[in-house]
Amino acid sequence: EPEVTQTPSHQVTQMGQEVILRCVPISNHLYFYWYRQILGQKVEFLVSFYNNEISEKSEIFDDQFSVERPDGSNFTLKIRSTKLEDSAMYFCARKQGALNTGELFFGEGSRLTVL
Amino acid sequence: ILNVEQSPQSLHVQEGDSTNFTCSFPSSNFYALHWYRWETAKSPEALFVMTLNGDEKKKGRISATLNTKEGYSYLYIKGSQPEDSATYLCAFGNSGYALNFGKGTSLLVTP
Repeated sequence: EPEVTQTPSHQVTQMGQEVILRCVPISNHLYFYWYRQILGQKVEFLVSFYNNEISEKSEIFDDQFSVERPDGSNFTLKIRSTKLEDSAMYFCARKQGALNTGELFFGEGSRLTVL
Repeated sequence: ILNVEQSPQSLHVQEGDSTNFTCSFPSSNFYALHWYRWETAKSPEALFVMTLNGDEKKKGRISATLNTKEGYSYLYIKGSQPEDSATYLCAFGNSGYALNFGKGTSLLVTP
């Protein structure tokens, strides 16, 4: 059973549409991350979320992106107006262990295709 | 941007062969070096986390070493099996929250 459940597994959307990707941890954790992988490229860090606040974000995570934990359980990544280059596999992960050395447990990913 | 480089990009070996691949990372502000295995249609799964120079970790036929002074880590697979076929990702952790990943080494083991 995965540590983290992600929905949807695959979403196809039109350019300019809003997309919400969801992440549900099995148990209550404090540190969450969103990463993405564009086909053929590196796994890229987007944002980390600690105790219901953004703790760090990358240059990729611009104003089009937002994260929240609306009900204290589900953890969402929203892309306001999708672009073609947002097509990627998006992974949610939780950290186990110390902040700087703990390992990540990834969800199974949400594949986003922007047409 | 912290460059984490992995080589080779891909590798094809026969069942029973031993193999190894390399991860190089910045040697400054080092906190941890992670290895993950990523099988097709699954999520990346942690193999090792190493924090100290000279660390060696082992899990079954897979082992890893760490040299933080020169900024490299090796992953070794002894007696490769078809089920070892996957992409092996290396990730470098510094004082921030994020891990910086390499592009991975794609391993194919054929019977």
